[in-house]
Amino acid sequence: QKEVEQNSGPLSVPEGAIASLNCTYSDRGSQSFFWYRQYSGKSPELIMFIYSNGDKEDGRFTAQLNKASQYVSLLIRDSQPSDSATYLCAVKSNFGNEKLTFGTGTRLTIIP
Amino acid sequence: DTGVSQNPRHKITKRGQNVTFRCDPISEHNRLYWYRQTLGQGPEFLTYFQNEAQLEKSRLLSDRFSAERPKGSFSTLEIQRTEQGDSAMYLCASSTQGVRLDEQFFGPGTRLTVL
Repeated sequence: QKEVEQNSGPLSVPEGAIASLNCTYSDRGSQSFFWYRQYSGKSPELIMFIYSNGDKEDGRFTAQLNKASQYVSLLIRDSQPSDSATYLCAVKSNFGNEKLTFGTGTRLTIIP
Repeated sequence: DTGVSQNPRHKITKRGQNVTFRCDPISEHNRLYWYRQTLGQGPEFLTYFQNEAQLEKSRLLSDRFSAERPKGSFSTLEIQRTEQGDSAMYLCASSTQGVRLDEQFFGPGTRLTVL
């Protein structure tokens, strides 16, 4: 079992719709969860982080965390063509372990 | 530009040669990380520094790899006797210490091609 799992996609969503990206993790001790966006040929860009169970909203983005289910998701509302990218879920085990463990990413395509 | 910078951006080398990459973190960040990313995969952790101290190394970091951060500012990653399997994007990230200030910001990466 991979430590962080994501559906690799591709996920195609019509422009203006909600894109839903999912991630599961295996380490129950994980404390911090991050979503990075990566355009082709570019480096990852942090777009959201979440530490507590529940929802966290930032503009069109909402991160959701359920530690009991070991599940974290990212919702993108009013999807735009510029949202087309690979979305990487990353997990940090605990506050003493600083490395990020990434999933393989989900490739999202927004269809105009 | 106050972001993480990396040099060179691209490096093509022949198998068996040594290469060195440099990373300059965001100036107020005391933590610096190296990751490696291959096509279709997420970044894989290699090592991290807090100030000048190297605090963690991945099993991926074979004895051909060495990283330094001599003055707690910039860092170098050296790969000796490169192999074709070393071809990847090498990413540097930095962060500042703190319970909720631990977000890692990535540089543009150095793409290594070993022929």
